[in-house]
Amino acid sequence: DAKTTQPTSMDCAEGRAANLPCNHSTISGNEYVYWYRQIHSQGPQYIIHGLKNNETNEMASLIITEDRKSSTLILPHATLRDTAVYYCIVRGISSNTGKLIFGQGTTLQVKP
Amino acid sequence: GAGVSQSPSNKVTEKGKDVELRCDPISGHTALYWYRQSLGQGLEFLIYFQGNSAPDKSGLPSDRFSAERTGGSVSTLTIQRTQQEDSAVYLCASSLTRESRGGELFFGEGSRLTVL
Repeated sequence: DAKTTQPTSMDCAEGRAANLPCNHSTISGNEYVYWYRQIHSQGPQYIIHGLKNNETNEMASLIITEDRKSSTLILPHATLRDTAVYYCIVRGISSNTGKLIFGQGTTLQVKP
Repeated sequence: GAGVSQSPSNKVTEKGKDVELRCDPISGHTALYWYRQSLGQGLEFLIYFQGNSAPDKSGLPSDRFSAERTGGSVSTLTIQRTQQEDSAVYLCASSLTRESRGGELFFGEGSRLTVL
């Protein structure tokens, strides 16, 4: 599975959009981009995933560049409860196990 | 229950003792995963089950670690002769299949193990 690179930490003002970038320059055609987050002392939580097209759900939007080498997770109106570590993960649809390999992620601090 | 359930939530043990950690996945989920998270670190994959078999044990750190799954449901992670470096939060996750919708893994709250 392709490697991802994320900033170590980011701040965001409450009520503003949080834009979390992820680089995955070695991604291959059959690999999806997944985003999970981990709020302090809890298990990770699935947010969203995508292959080529931009995706939106009730939690967030995922913008994937045309060349698929990078993506951005957007939390449209960040709240204090969105403070967490956000993980960007790339995994192939032909994965034998479906396991996800977590990196260090981005620690997002939402401030009042 | 509706989610993945893990027990105990906290376990303190002495170096050299054996411990067992239990995971109850979401009903009907065939895939089950164990991860470990040391203090301030990312998640480390340990083992994957599909049904009762474990086709991927590549993350188990030593032969002191073992896991089993019975009836395609409950899984137990056993750590023998615990060492201080085994102290971590052990997280269990399940998914409907290995290619479940969006690769969505549902995680439990974890079992925090402290080895004195």
